Amino acid sequence: NAGVMQNPRHLVRRRGQEARLRCSPMKGHSHVYWYRQLPEEGLKFMVYLQKENIIDESGMPKERFSAEFPKEGPSILRIQQVVRGDSAAYFCASSRDVLATNEKLFFGSGTQLSVL
Amino acid sequence: QKEVEQNSGPLSVPEGAIASLNCTYSDQGSQSFFWYRQYSGKSPELIMFIYSNGDKEDGRFTAQLNKASQYVSLLIRDSQPSDSATYLCAVKIAGGTSYGKLTFGQGTILTVHP
Repeated sequence: NAGVMQNPRHLVRRRGQEARLRCSPMKGHSHVYWYRQLPEEGLKFMVYLQKENIIDESGMPKERFSAEFPKEGPSILRIQQVVRGDSAAYFCASSRDVLATNEKLFFGSGTQLSVL
Repeated sequence: QKEVEQNSGPLSVPEGAIASLNCTYSDQGSQSFFWYRQYSGKSPELIMFIYSNGDKEDGRFTAQLNKASQYVSLLIRDSQPSDSATYLCAVKIAGGTSYGKLTFGQGTILTVHP
């Protein structure tokens, strides 16, 4: 029973390039969340998606960042024109249902983005 | 004031001792509380969740919640060197557009020495 799958594990980009991070939720999960973890900092919420819908993007930077979760295929976090400050670990998480009282969030192994 | 606060540590305990990790939160509407363990370079792993006042035990782990004091803690009994990790406290706020997300503290680094 595969968990949350993220790829690539490591991604190196030069300033100005685009980064695409992929996430496939756990089987049976239709809710996807993206978090960013900067060095020496905690996890910061970025965006919450359901199939074909962005539910909450209050944590997303206003420019260069976008996310989607199409009807078919993985969720994609896209960062255009990357800058060094985008270097971080990006974690995807999924849940089976809305985070009701006893619903749990499960994390993927993350993508470490390094911007040169 | 941060929404979720943890003592960043590091907290160092000897093997076999009880490790006590603390977390406070600011939003009185907070509904559910989670403890994740994160080894260096790895993903967060859920170890406990609690949503009712009182204690919840699972093996060597006990989560304690006091909503009146806006305080949640994690006790690890018989600590082992393999428990050495960063422990993240996370809070879910009820209602509104925040129903789909957890807010995390900055984490407490725990070191268990032999």
